[in-house]
Amino acid sequence: GESVGLHLPTLSVQEGDNSIINCAYSNSASDYFIWYKQESGKGPQFIIDIRSNMDKRQGQRVTVLLNKTVKHLSLQIAATQPGDSAVYFCAAAIGTYKYIFGTGTRLKVLA
Amino acid sequence: KAGVTQTPRYLIKTRGQQVTLSCSPISGHRSVSWYQQTPGQGLQFLFEYFSETQRNKGNFPGRFSGRQFSNSRSEMNVSTLELGDSALYLCASSLEYGTGHEQYFGPGTRLTVT
Repeated sequence: GESVGLHLPTLSVQEGDNSIINCAYSNSASDYFIWYKQESGKGPQFIIDIRSNMDKRQGQRVTVLLNKTVKHLSLQIAATQPGDSAVYFCAAAIGTYKYIFGTGTRLKVLA
Repeated sequence: KAGVTQTPRYLIKTRGQQVTLSCSPISGHRSVSWYQQTPGQGLQFLFEYFSETQRNKGNFPGRFSGRQFSNSRSEMNVSTLELGDSALYLCASSLEYGTGHEQYFGPGTRLTVT
């Protein structure tokens, strides 16, 4: 069936370093992707999105890269800060009405 | 602008009981989606409502139902609760229904079934 998976359940990075969180999706028809951040006790928070007609999109300290050939998505966080500690997951839109979500990567920022 | 609110935040129920969760979307948002989040499965889509009509439904049994009111507030109901229904239930609102529109999530309702 359709799936979205993240490569690592946990990622530890040193404060100030760059973080890269990866995501793979199975449905080649997916045309819209979102990255979310979820802090403990809170709902998911939108970080950045990208449509399939793009391969890169930048936000404030974040960049999303999309490789449709290998069905891979990554989120890069520059100069990682303690406040970036959270669970990150991606979502892929399947058609017009359905999202498939990954299970999440927990990012731990080491001081 | 106030965010998405969900009530109650925490709930403990017994197997066989039913439960109703409430979600108030951001003002002006007409679409409300519901998700179940568990550690092993991640977020799974339950259903989406827009203009009081269910527009899309996930692969959950009929025990899970919902509705939307004219002010866009939404409720979801789970009948005959099972242990496996223990989860964080999230609702998200957006301006329009369907994918491609930014969704804003509420803090969730943590349901524990004993």
